[in-house]
Amino acid sequence: GAVVSQHPSWVICKSGTSVKIECRSLDFQATTMFWYRQFPKQSLMLMATSNEGSKATYEQGVEKDKFLINHASLTLSTLTVTSAHPEDSSFYICSAPTWDGTTDTQYFGPGTRLTVL
Amino acid sequence: AQSVTQLDSHVSVSEGTPVLLRCNYSSSYSPSLFWYVQHPNKGLQLLLKYTSAATLVKGINGFEAEFKKSETSFHLTKPSAHMSDAAEYFCVYSTGFQKLVFGTGTRLLVSP
Repeated sequence: GAVVSQHPSWVICKSGTSVKIECRSLDFQATTMFWYRQFPKQSLMLMATSNEGSKATYEQGVEKDKFLINHASLTLSTLTVTSAHPEDSSFYICSAPTWDGTTDTQYFGPGTRLTVL
Repeated sequence: AQSVTQLDSHVSVSEGTPVLLRCNYSSSYSPSLFWYVQHPNKGLQLLLKYTSAATLVKGINGFEAEFKKSETSFHLTKPSAHMSDAAEYFCVYSTGFQKLVFGTGTRLLVSP
């Protein structure tokens, strides 16, 4: 199956700093990627849709100036958490869809655990 | 609005016994539905998907799910649980614009 990677797998940073998370589709191209966050023992919540070559679209309630998304190529999307604060600590997961002939199937990265001190 | 509801937050079974994880959906049209599994510290893995081709869908690791329109259900089953099946399971709905809506998850606990 299709493989999506994320880097780093975990990161610890100080409050006020910015953190960049990379999401790569390794064996397929993705014009669209998605970013989710997952709090402990909770479900995944879609944050934004990353569109190659254009602006990301954000879900209601997600601050676009805090969570900067760049989709510079067909295999790479980045999420930058700017001026991170402890409440931004979470598990961030990306996904990328591929078409299998009948439907789009999303493949997920392994996630990045962000801890803001 | 389209959504999925996972009826149990936790399910406990003994190894070798059947597994049933329940999911109901709400949709005004024929949905695309998925089951994903999340093992601790691992990424989400697709177990199976329903796309209207067949109501009984077989997935990986012996799991299957049946789409029942009359009951708006898409329950996940496995005849015999294995210790390695212990994980978090998500029933997921696709909006048709590639966006996914996740259920709240069911934690499957398997005891020896």
